[in-house]
Amino acid sequence: KAGVTQTPRYLIKTRGQQVTLSCSPISGHRSVSWYQQTPGQGLQFLFEYFSETQRNKGNFPGRFSGRQFSNSRSEMNVSTLELGDSALYLCASSLGYEQFFGPGTRLTVL
Amino acid sequence: GIQVEQSPPDLILQEGANSTLRCNFSDSVNNLQWFHQNPWGQLINLFYIPSGTKQNGRLSATTVATERYSLLYISSSQTTDSGVYFCAVAGNQFYFGTGTSLTVIP
Repeated sequence: KAGVTQTPRYLIKTRGQQVTLSCSPISGHRSVSWYQQTPGQGLQFLFEYFSETQRNKGNFPGRFSGRQFSNSRSEMNVSTLELGDSALYLCASSLGYEQFFGPGTRLTVL
Repeated sequence: GIQVEQSPPDLILQEGANSTLRCNFSDSVNNLQWFHQNPWGQLINLFYIPSGTKQNGRLSATTVATERYSLLYISSSQTTDSGVYFCAVAGNQFYFGTGTSLTVIP
């Protein structure tokens, strides 16, 4: 069974731009969660989607948004990028409680 | 939210040594997982262990849910064990500890 995939793997943007990241979960998994990892803040939960509905949301500004499609694939969008948004963005899928992570997208904001 | 504390923050071992990593959490949880983050950033699942003891090769883990802690044991460490080990627990969302950075020297 294929694992969680994320695209793109690396991205460079400038301040003020917006970005969309994509995540394809393990086949059959309906829950997709997103996390941000930075050296200063560690791994922080962004949001979780289940059956196209946002089920949970972390403490991030409204510039961070997401959605999930009927095939369980998910996208997250960050608008008006700031330097502090530079991070590794990780996506995880789950069937029950156990989460499986993708390789991440490394975003650099210049 | 649930507080997750990991200790020690850093650990340097000689190849072949054993180690114990600890994870304390502040509330009842539905799930506890241990991960190893490789140098490229991917989180590799080590154990899904909300309670009890599991073993996988040189690694084993024990979670005592009633006392709100989990331990990860690494025996006969190898240089490939180097990296950051994270504990994560699930309440209404997934909470990560700050990790233990392990360096195994030959």
